[in-house]
Amino acid sequence: AQSVTQLGSHVSVSEGALVLLRCNYSSSVPPYLFWYVQYPNQGLQLLLKYTTGATLVKGINGFEAEFKKSETSFHLTKPSAHMSDAAEYFCAVSVTGGFKTIFGAGTRLFVKA
Amino acid sequence: KAGVTQTPRYLIKTRGQQVTLSCSPISGHRSVSWYQQTPGQGLQFLFEYFSETQRNKGNFPGRFSGRQFSNSRSEMNVSTLELGDSALYLCASSWDRGRTEAFFGQGTRLTVV
Repeated sequence: AQSVTQLGSHVSVSEGALVLLRCNYSSSVPPYLFWYVQYPNQGLQLLLKYTTGATLVKGINGFEAEFKKSETSFHLTKPSAHMSDAAEYFCAVSVTGGFKTIFGAGTRLFVKA
Repeated sequence: KAGVTQTPRYLIKTRGQQVTLSCSPISGHRSVSWYQQTPGQGLQFLFEYFSETQRNKGNFPGRFSGRQFSNSRSEMNVSTLELGDSALYLCASSWDRGRTEAFFGQGTRLTVV
């Protein structure tokens, strides 16, 4: 069975600082991995996804994530945080034939001025 | 193209009543999933429909049900509402079950009083 663990329910950074949101997954077969962002009272919006190929994936709003099979990780990073990045972020995993996407518990990102 | 549309956006119901929420997926998407989101439990999977058939079901009581129509539009129903059913209900559609990203609606905020 697949599972997703997001380390840290809350992360706080200063504006301009590096953003690092951690995600580890469990899957017995090659996974598809996703990061979504949710702003208050909104649905989830896809930031980026990894399916196959290049392990460093670039997404919208300057975010990127690297798939590391040996570490079963898919951490989300952004070199310089902006106030508008304050939101909740969800890591998700699905597998070919699994027909279901599993979401992590979410990490709320706070950005301090 | 139009995104995922959920109606209504906000709803207030009394304990014991029932409620029906609607979701119109992106044109061409045949998979529709429903999620319940609460501050305490996070994002929890309710069920998934594909080609008018329920394919996956989460761990929710039988009071929660759904259906999908031939045009892929979906409804979910909650009967005998309880205070704990207050939540943001999110619908997501995708073209290919699990292998592509899910597109989320803005959700229906249900408050049970």
